[in-house]
Amino acid sequence: DSGVTQTPKHLITATGQRVTLRCSPRSGDLSVYWYQQSLDQGLQFLIQYYNGEERAKGNILERFSAQQFPDLHSELNLSSLELGDSALYFCASSLSDRVDYGYTFGSGTRLTVV
Amino acid sequence: ELKVEQNPLFLSMQEGKNYTIYCNYSTTSDRLYWYRQDPGKSLESLFVLLSNGAVKQEGRLMASLDTKARLSTLHITAAVHDLSATYFCAVLRTTSGTYKYIFGTGTRLKVLA
Repeated sequence: DSGVTQTPKHLITATGQRVTLRCSPRSGDLSVYWYQQSLDQGLQFLIQYYNGEERAKGNILERFSAQQFPDLHSELNLSSLELGDSALYFCASSLSDRVDYGYTFGSGTRLTVV
Repeated sequence: ELKVEQNPLFLSMQEGKNYTIYCNYSTTSDRLYWYRQDPGKSLESLFVLLSNGAVKQEGRLMASLDTKARLSTLHITAAVHDLSATYFCAVLRTTSGTYKYIFGTGTRLKVLA
């Protein structure tokens, strides 16, 4: 157990729907990062939050949004889902916003859009 | 645009052999990371390389960084089956206070008994 908790582990939903993925960072970590891993796109950075504020943005679609709450957990919202959104979504956390010592990754949420 | 390329993409090697995985990146970077991912599992942090000439070793794995060549290597010594996994390098670039984290394509390593 890495200390980063992601729920749910698996999610199957239909095209056009909206889902919310949840991440609780490791105790004491202030930064949360979201990644998407798919076979054709590899591992892509989506977005980072640090202590409640958006810190960096990667290849995140407009249909996707995220936030970090006062208790530091984060949610990634995916809407108007398409088949191509099927992927593993990882959350990672780190103490600071500079990832000096690398992240700690959660076990991921596998999203299947049918 | 920051690009990170790894080679080879696939590597099948015999136990006991040595091999090197290469990670090239296209622009200056502040930090370079190596991660390991087992099938169906999450990513595990292996090394963080912070400066030119940095070398870190853990067991049969050794990582190095040459910022002038924009190249990092992950060297495997006397491979064992347990090292079979996918290895990713990742690069951090800071520009005007914003951060970009880019992962390489990954190298799928299979060590044959």
